[in-house]
Amino acid sequence: KQEVTQIPAALSVPEGENLVLNCSFTDSAIYNLQWFRQDPGKGLTSLLLIQSSQREQTSGRLNASLDKSSGRSTLYIAASQPGDSATYLCAVENFNKFYFGSGTKLNVKP
Amino acid sequence: EPEVTQTPSHQVTQMGQEVILRCVPISNHLYFYWYRQILGQKVEFLVSFYNNEISEKSEIFDDQFSVERPDGSNFTLKIRSTKLEDSAMYFCASEQSTDTQYFGPGTRLTVL
Repeated sequence: KQEVTQIPAALSVPEGENLVLNCSFTDSAIYNLQWFRQDPGKGLTSLLLIQSSQREQTSGRLNASLDKSSGRSTLYIAASQPGDSATYLCAVENFNKFYFGSGTKLNVKP
Repeated sequence: EPEVTQTPSHQVTQMGQEVILRCVPISNHLYFYWYRQILGQKVEFLVSFYNNEISEKSEIFDDQFSVERPDGSNFTLKIRSTKLEDSAMYFCASEQSTDTQYFGPGTRLTVL
């Protein structure tokens, strides 16, 4: 069964810092990988989707990479802002089922 | 911007009662999903639905659960006889065909 792990579980950084969130998965036969943002008490917002044949995707200050063979993905956030404070989840799709990590709770201090 | 909506935002029920959670997906989307998140735990996939039938379901989605798209707009999750362990946040999501899923705000289900 697919297992998705995210490190670190929590991260606190000063505003302006660049940071990297990590996601690893045990079964490399994924169809795609998504990074989501979850604000307290809210639903999930898709940030970036990487298909299994792709290596990275970029949106604004966010860049996500995928190394399928090693079972790893990273989400890079440039020039972090207090508004980036949220929980970031990664999820993989295997054979039409979806598996989420526990998330990294990010706090960006002004 | 179109969004997925869910009702109610919070549902309290007694153990053994039936509940129906409702979702209105984005209008031109074709794929529909239900997830749950028990407090402090991971988001868990329950079921996917396409072309008026279940396309995939997880081990969690047993005979107590069912989904339906009763009309062109609503997508429902029914739990026939709720248990204490069904208490969770339930999220609906929809997708056009681009693999990007759009989530609703969730329904918090509390089983007493």
